[in-house]
Amino acid sequence: SQTIHQWPATLVQPVGSPLSLECTVEGTSNPNLYWYRQAAGRGLQLLFYSVGIGQISSEVPQNLSASRPQDRQFILSSKKLLLSDSGFYLCAWSGGRRRPGVDGYTFGSGTRLTVV
Amino acid sequence: AQKITQTQPGMFVQEKEAVTLDCTYDTSDPSYGLFWYKQPSSGEMIFLIYQGSYDQQNATEGRYSLNFQKARKSANLVISASQLGDSAMYFCAMRGPVLLIQGAQKLVFGQGTRLTINP
Repeated sequence: SQTIHQWPATLVQPVGSPLSLECTVEGTSNPNLYWYRQAAGRGLQLLFYSVGIGQISSEVPQNLSASRPQDRQFILSSKKLLLSDSGFYLCAWSGGRRRPGVDGYTFGSGTRLTVV
Repeated sequence: AQKITQTQPGMFVQEKEAVTLDCTYDTSDPSYGLFWYKQPSSGEMIFLIYQGSYDQQNATEGRYSLNFQKARKSANLVISASQLGDSAMYFCAMRGPVLLIQGAQKLVFGQGTRLTINP
């Protein structure tokens, strides 16, 4: 069965420090991968998506970047964190043998980032 | 552009009662999909139910059903016989146009409704 792992679960980082959040998917190949951010009490906003190794599309210009060094690995990074980067970050995947457009996304458990 | 509107920031319901969570959407695409997700306090997003724009019947999954009214552009979630474990944030989402041939899809989310079930 397919599973998605995301870590760390929580992170407290000072302003100006770097960031690296990792997401991996198991049990499928060539998944479509996504990074979403959820501000406190708000809905989810798509940040990046990837349809293959090295292929990254950005939805919102910001202080963050994403990379996909391997087929089932998706990384969210920042060189210098801002206070506004605080939030709940969710990785998700779609595709594989799932029914496109029907089963939607499967989400990871999320990373709660607090920038202080 | 696609938009999802959830007008109920919070709802309080007695256990065992049915509850309807409202969702209206706006899109110019003739083909679209609508989803409902549950987000408990742990933060994980749990897929509940899906409705395609061309589906003739309203979707049902156990205690969850989707009241799809295409002409009114509404896709309300109905939870029958509510339970204490149903307390959570609920998000309505719409599938955007397929991005690429691989089937990558963008989901647009509403702001969510916080549902509290009282014993």
